[in-house]
Amino acid sequence: ETGVTQTPRHLVMGMTNKKSLKCEQHLGHNAMYWYKQSAKKPLELMFVYNFKEQTENNSVPSRFSPECPNSSHLFLHLHTLQPEDSALYLCASRGSSNYGYTFGSGTRLTVV
Amino acid sequence: DQQVKQNSPSLSVQEGRISILNCDYTNSMFDYFLWYKKYPAEGPTFLISISSIKDKNEDGRFTVFLNKSAKHLSLHIVPSQPGDSAVYFCAAKVTETSYDKVIFGPGTSLSVIP
Repeated sequence: ETGVTQTPRHLVMGMTNKKSLKCEQHLGHNAMYWYKQSAKKPLELMFVYNFKEQTENNSVPSRFSPECPNSSHLFLHLHTLQPEDSALYLCASRGSSNYGYTFGSGTRLTVV
Repeated sequence: DQQVKQNSPSLSVQEGRISILNCDYTNSMFDYFLWYKKYPAEGPTFLISISSIKDKNEDGRFTVFLNKSAKHLSLHIVPSQPGDSAVYFCAAKVTETSYDKVIFGPGTSLSVIP
């Protein structure tokens, strides 16, 4: 356990479904991130939350909707996804005293 | 356009020998560089970092070298062990207006052969 917990670990959803990914950290970190890792591609930054405020939306389609209700929790709401959205979705957090991100184990998403 | 490049998708090294993983970057505004290690079915874990004002940082078997003029950094692992087999991501940090942004390379898969 890294201190960043992601649920579920695996998710299979149809293109018309609505689902949510959850990320939780109790490390006292004040920045949280969503990354996407597709096969044979770099980790792609999707969203940045700094002190619960969204500070970056990296040209992500609106079918992905983040939510950060408090500094310990981060959600990624999914609706009407496409098969090409199938990927590993990683949550990360960072404290103010170092530059090393702490990653969760990820949610392996398959859109059918 | 990839700002952080790892041109070798894979590398195989004999146990006990040195592993050298390379990384190139294009953005001169990067001020901090990091290496992450990732095992299958796990998230990346932070390994070692270096500030842009340094040219070397060492932590046990791991050493990172930075050549700022060439916009190149490398991770040396010596001696390599089978447990080092993983995907290694090079990453670089840039400070935006009010937050830090870390850009990752595509990764290099290292296999250490016993």
